[in-house]
Amino acid sequence: DAKTTQPPSMDCAEGRAANLPCNHSTISGNEYVYWYRQIHSQGPQYIIHGLKNNETNEMASLIITEDRKSSTLILPHATLRDTAVYYCIVRGLISSGSARQLTFGSGTQLTVLP
Amino acid sequence: DTGVSQNPRHKITKRGQNVTFRCDPISEHNRLYWYRQTLGQGPEFLTYFQNEAQLEKSRLLSDRFSAERPKGSFSTLEIQRTEQGDSAMYLCASSLGGGGVTRYTFGSGTRLTVV
Repeated sequence: DAKTTQPPSMDCAEGRAANLPCNHSTISGNEYVYWYRQIHSQGPQYIIHGLKNNETNEMASLIITEDRKSSTLILPHATLRDTAVYYCIVRGLISSGSARQLTFGSGTQLTVLP
Repeated sequence: DTGVSQNPRHKITKRGQNVTFRCDPISEHNRLYWYRQTLGQGPEFLTYFQNEAQLEKSRLLSDRFSAERPKGSFSTLEIQRTEQGDSAMYLCASSLGGGGVTRYTFGSGTRLTVV
């Protein structure tokens, strides 16, 4: 799985958009970009994933550059409850029988300020 | 869908004692993973079950660690002769396997403190 690079920390004002970058310059053609977040004292929570098209769900939007070497997770209207560590993970499709566990880096600590 | 349940939430034990944690995955999920997370770090993979079979173990899983998943439902993680370095959050995750894109559901973890 390709390695990812994220800034260690970011701040965002409550109500504003939070844009979290991730670099994955060695991503291969069949690898997906996943985002999870971990709120203090809880387990990681799935947010969104994408291959090459931009994706949006009820939690966030994922923008993947055309060359797929980087992506941005966008929380459109950040709230205090969005304060968490956000993990960007790149991983290929799993095949039946293989573990293909998620490999977490250190993530980005997002602090939403009142 | 009641999510992934882990018990206990917290455990304090004396060095040298044995501890056991339990994970109840989402009922229809056939894959179950154990991770360990130390302060300031992302979760690290320990082991993986597909149904009742333990198919992969990381090098982090020393001989003092053992995991089971009898009948392919709940799983237990036991640590024998605990050491202070075992202090960490132990996370369980489950997923529905079969290939393709996979979403993992994590429990809230068991925080172990070895004193």
